[in-house]
Amino acid sequence: DARVTQTPRHKVTEMGQEVTMRCQPILGHNTVFWYRQTMMQGLELLAYFRNRAPLDDSGMPKDRFSAEMPDATLATLKIQPSEPRDSAVYFCASGLYRDNNSPLHFGNGTRLTVT
Amino acid sequence: SQQGEEDPQALSIQEGENATMNCSYKTSINNLQWYRQNSGRGLVHLILIRSNEREKHSGRLRVTLDTSKKSSSLLITASRAADTASYFCATDGRGSTLGRLYFGRGTQLTVWP
Repeated sequence: DARVTQTPRHKVTEMGQEVTMRCQPILGHNTVFWYRQTMMQGLELLAYFRNRAPLDDSGMPKDRFSAEMPDATLATLKIQPSEPRDSAVYFCASGLYRDNNSPLHFGNGTRLTVT
Repeated sequence: SQQGEEDPQALSIQEGENATMNCSYKTSINNLQWYRQNSGRGLVHLILIRSNEREKHSGRLRVTLDTSKKSSSLLITASRAADTASYFCATDGRGSTLGRLYFGRGTQLTVWP
């Protein structure tokens, strides 16, 4: 059963450190999303890519967050420098976008704690 | 915001009972999707209903959509303890060709054995 793989599952780091989260989308999917989930804000869309090109990253704090897709099998979300308010679960999701009726497949997330 | 909002925030029922969750949204849509999230896991797609559909079934799931009221409901019949999870509705935006989805805050469903 194909699935989206995220690493690491858990990350604890100190404020100011760089954090890199990785995602392997389902082979053949052409769209990749990054979401952040917190109790306060729910699921927030941070950025997404179609055919590896960034379509929208308006949900990300640009000064510290960056998202890339170096190739079709890898998406990365980087935070530099990290802050305690970045503590959340970060989800990657992929989908095969052909029309407006495509479901997303989520990874199990990276739980980030910044102390 | 195009976010859907689920209601109630939390629902607690006994096994065998039916569970109904509602979702309201703000803008016109191409489709509405329901997802489930078990604790510590990612979201799992349950069902998608298009804007020109009014009702859809999948196993014990029944979804309705009323575009005039901008609302949807998810009914789980004969609930089981394993249905305990958070349920989210997600909407896109009509006119959006980008395929992005906006999620509500979810309904936490607890089914007691």
